[in-house]
Amino acid sequence: GEQVEQRPPHLSVREGDSAVITCTYTDPNSYYFFWYKQEPGASLQLLMKVFSSTEINEGQGFTVLLNKKDKRLSLNLTAAHPGDSAAYFCAVSAAGYQNFYFGKGTSLTVIP
Amino acid sequence: AQTIHQWPVAEIKAVGSPLSLGCTIKGKSSPNLYWYWQATGGTLQQLFYSITVGQVESVVQLNLSASRPKDDQFILSTEKLLLSHSGFYLCAWSLARTYEQYFGPGTRLTVL
Repeated sequence: GEQVEQRPPHLSVREGDSAVITCTYTDPNSYYFFWYKQEPGASLQLLMKVFSSTEINEGQGFTVLLNKKDKRLSLNLTAAHPGDSAAYFCAVSAAGYQNFYFGKGTSLTVIP
Repeated sequence: AQTIHQWPVAEIKAVGSPLSLGCTIKGKSSPNLYWYWQATGGTLQQLFYSITVGQVESVVQLNLSASRPKDDQFILSTEKLLLSHSGFYLCAWSLARTYEQYFGPGTRLTVL
């Protein structure tokens, strides 16, 4: 089955700095990619979805990059602020399948 | 607008006791439904998914079972809890052909 590796497990940055989280996956048939944010004690919130026809997606204060050749997905918070402190998870799914494979998560701390 | 509700919010149970967790989705017809377990420390594991009433597929075996008695309801249960069942249980929904999953608020289970 699919293997998703997420790095780093912990990340601490100063307010205003950028933060980059990366996931690599193994299944070349993976087609749908997602980033979720989980604040302490809360559920998961969908941040961004990226499909195989899309390489770069921009949201509010972050950019998602997909490199299918390297099987790599990254989330770049461009100017982190304390409200970004949370756990972030990537998720990967193959077309036609209901299985979602999550990375192990990155705990991000933004220091004021 | 769709809403997803999980009950109970939290539960403390004894080893060997039975368990039933529930999830309801309002505002979406015939959603795909999922159960996830999140261990302390963050790893998310998909447990079950259901595409239609009465049909449930198991992803991993954790001495748990799931049922979908109604289109908008998903139940997770076991007759005998283990210490290893402690964690955060999340229900999620998606629509066919869109793949992104939206998560409920979760149930925190402590097994003593």
